Amino acid sequence: TQLLEQSPQFLSIQEGENLTVYCNSSSVFSSLQWYRQEPGEGPVLLVTVVTGGEVKKLKRLTFQFGDARKDSSLHITAAQTGDTGLYLCAGVPQAGTALIFGKGTTLSVSS
Amino acid sequence: DAGVTQSPTHLIKTRGQHVTLRCSPISGHKSVSWYQQVLGQGPQFIFQYYEKEERGRGNFPDRFSARQFPNYSSELNVNALLLGDSALYLCASSQPSTGGIETQYFGPGTRLLVL
Repeated sequence: TQLLEQSPQFLSIQEGENLTVYCNSSSVFSSLQWYRQEPGEGPVLLVTVVTGGEVKKLKRLTFQFGDARKDSSLHITAAQTGDTGLYLCAGVPQAGTALIFGKGTTLSVSS
Repeated sequence: DAGVTQSPTHLIKTRGQHVTLRCSPISGHKSVSWYQQVLGQGPQFIFQYYEKEERGRGNFPDRFSARQFPNYSSELNVNALLLGDSALYLCASSQPSTGGIETQYFGPGTRLLVL
C-alpha cells in the first residue's frame, strides 16, 4: 500500500494549458514537500508546505496543503516545455521519521 | 558551494557480486540518507545516518548496509546483488532545524545495472 498516492501518473499537455497534480494520503503529515526530477538527476526541492490550508506560489506554480494535512496539490498555470519532468510529493508522517515519496507524476509539455 | 556528490555515476555488476556506492554531503550537513529509485517509481528510503549513527532504516533486506564516516561522507553497500537491485541510488544530505523541518538535498545518483 502506497502511503502517498499521486495522480495522475502521466500527463501530456500542450504549452499554455493549465494542470493540477494531486497527492493524497489517509495519514497526517507534519509537512509535505514537492520535488521535480529530470532524467539522470536527483530530485530538486520546489516547496515545503507545513500549515494545514497553506498556499504557496512559485511563479506559475501554486502549491496547497489540505486543511487536515493529509493531501496536497500542485497547480501549474500556462505550462511551458521547460516544465517537463517527474513531479514527486514527499513527506514525513506524524508517526514516522523517514521521508516517504509518492510514485510521481510524469509531465510532458509539448509546443 | 558544492552540492551532494555521488560516485560512481554508473555501474554495471553481475548477480551475486557486491557493490559500494559513495556519497559526500553538502559542507556542514551532518545527516545523510540513502534512497533506491526503481524506474517509474518514487524514491524509497533505505537508511538515514546522523553523526555516524543509524537514525532510521527502511524495509530493505540485510544485504543492504551503510555507514557514515567522521567527515560525514557515507557508503552504501549491497551484497549478493540481485537483478531487482538495478535502480538509481540517491543520496541526500540534510541538517536538522530547530523548526523540525529537515530539508533534504539530493545528489545526482548512481545508476546501478545488475546483469
